[in-house]
This record gives sequence, structure tokens and C-alpha cells, in this order.
Amino acid sequence: QSVLTQPPSVSGAPGQRVTISCTGSSSNIGAGYDVHWYQQLPGTAPKVLIYANNNRPSGVPDRFSGSKSGTSASLAITGLQAEDEADYYCQSYDSSLSGSVFGTGTKVTVL
Amino acid sequence: QVQLQQWGAGLLKPSETLSLTCAVYGGSFTGYYWSWIRQPPGKGLEWIGEINHSGSTNYNPSLKSRVTISVDTSKNQLSLKLSSVTAADTAVFYCARFLVGNCSGGRCYSNWFDPWGQGILVTVSS
Repeated sequence: QSVLTQPPSVSGAPGQRVTISCTGSSSNIGAGYDVHWYQQLPGTAPKVLIYANNNRPSGVPDRFSGSKSGTSASLAITGLQAEDEADYYCQSYDSSLSGSVFGTGTKVTVL
Repeated sequence: QVQLQQWGAGLLKPSETLSLTCAVYGGSFTGYYWSWIRQPPGKGLEWIGEINHSGSTNYNPSLKSRVTISVDTSKNQLSLKLSSVTAADTAVFYCARFLVGNCSGGRCYSNWFDPWGQGILVTVSS
């Protein structure tokens, strides 16, 4: 049961900037819990892209950035590349569930 | 570098019990929580639950009555059992390390999954 809402798809031409929104509520993002982002390439396990709202693990290009405000968060991809075509998921903690929740997922298509 | 490797039965009949194991290599097992997450074909991710090295667990309420997660610290392994499976349980199951941070007043406001195992597709079909 996804309690974080994302757009089903976003697309952009190579080199463009795209953003993915993640909308939560007062029991998760709005309660101060951090948001994390995962990239899932076709046929592979998810990989953390951004943790704690805006931190990149080593090896993740600085084309990826995250932000959080109120009950929402966003992932931005600048200088879009063909290799960025994947599914992206946000994740946080929900105090009502007392556990982790994921976003509905967004498919990024490079035109 | 921590790596997770999973194995288990990939085809079950309705009402059977799903059983998967995940081994942790290359890093500390104790001191962390370890999780299971699933993804139905073509759908999104669902958190199943987590456990620490001493056996303290936290389960998704929607699955709690059917789920058991356990650890074997002598082998650096965690296991998942899901009873009375139906076709709705068909999914790719992942194990992952559960990291926490930004802790204050006994509560941690940052918790995420890294790294993940390779995933195992479990199909429930008669």
C-alpha cells in the first residue's frame, strides 16, 4: 500500500532537466521523516540514489539532487542521459504504519 | 563492501509457506537492522519487515499475521517465512540492509535501505 504519491511517468530529451515529485502526509514526510530516492534499472534491484533528502552516496553523479519541503519531496535530474531511463521510487517512514513506505514509482523516459 | 545474496524456492502452490534466506558478506552483521521488501510484477515496492541481530522485529501490519523474519548470527543470515500464500503474493522478494540516522529523543527520522540483494521471483500458482 503506497502512501507516497508520485507521477506515473516523466520524460525529457537528452540534456534536459526533469523533476519527480513525491507527495506524502503529516504522518510521514510532514512529520519530519527524511525522504530517500531509489533508481531501479530494468531487471535489477533498486539502488539508493539520494538518502536523507539531499545526500548522494559515493558514485552517484551530481546530476541527481533531492529536496524536501512540507509534506513533499522532489528528485531532480539535470543533463538527462539515456542511461537515466529507469523507474524511480521515493521512500520514507510513516508513524501511523510504524514502518517504511514507498512511493508509487515514476518511470523516466529519455526521448 | 557489503553484499547480500538470496536464495529460496521460486514456485509455490496456494496455501504453502514461502521460505527465503539472505546471506550477508563483506561487512558487519550485528549492529544493523535487516529488511525484506517485495515487488509484484510490474508494480511498486512494499516493505515487509525488518529484524536486528538480537531478533527484535518490526512487521508491516498488513502482513504481520503471516510473516516471520529471523536471523542466524553464526552464519550472518536472515530468513523470511510467509505462510498461506496466494497468487497475490507473487512478487520479486528483496533483502536489504536497513540504515538509520538523524536520531533524536529516542526516535530516528532517517531510515533507508542499502544495499539490496539481487532479488528472487516467487510465483504462486496451482
